[in-house]
Amino acid sequence: QSVLTQPPSVSAAPGQSVTISCSGNTSNIGSNYVSWYRQFPGAAPKLLIYENKQRSSGTPDRFSASKSGTSATLAITGLQTGDEGDYYCVTSDRTGSPARLIGGGTKLTVL
Amino acid sequence: EVQLVESGGGPVQPDKSLRLSCAGSGFSFDEYALHWVRQAPGRGLEWVAGISWNSGNIAYAGSVKGRFIISRDNAKNSLYLQMNSLRRDDSALYYCVRDVDLQPTAPMGHFDYWGQGTHVTVSS
Repeated sequence: QSVLTQPPSVSAAPGQSVTISCSGNTSNIGSNYVSWYRQFPGAAPKLLIYENKQRSSGTPDRFSASKSGTSATLAITGLQTGDEGDYYCVTSDRTGSPARLIGGGTKLTVL
Repeated sequence: EVQLVESGGGPVQPDKSLRLSCAGSGFSFDEYALHWVRQAPGRGLEWVAGISWNSGNIAYAGSVKGRFIISRDNAKNSLYLQMNSLRRDDSALYYCVRDVDLQPTAPMGHFDYWGQGTHVTVSS
């Protein structure tokens, strides 16, 4: 059971938009930056967003993210079937232990 | 090209030990913190341990603290994970992951490169 709470799954039709939430507390998200990763089946995760809202090289501008208080949100617009996968949020803990916290993951299905 | 290649996984009996290795190339190995992240079959990602560029700052997840030891040899561009007293719930794909920061606990740090992982199966 992760300290960072993500919805287990989200779904939407091609062309539509979806948001994935990541909820934490003042010791983790509230005090640190959040990054987002996508994992396709059988592959290693890949960085999408870092420092709350900065897109990694190669991340389409259809992907955006934000942080407010103790929660973070990843938004994807113009959904494509290729966006299907598992999405994870990651942050740190103010105490340094654990060093990194990973959300439980959200499976995105493009209907 | 940045590459992280894990090795050392395999089947192991409960309570036994196993040592994972990760060979880094394509970057200045001693300028980055490194982590181990694992993923049990059909489950999500779990951060396991992290180590600073000079091994001066080390952190563990509560689930492995006291059983696992993370270390690195910058001269050999290698990261290690010594896993002792293995349990069935340690069975997972173990990823070697690079952090953008020197420290594994840096607030602005994040994972920028991942290896392909090495499988560990703990079973009698």
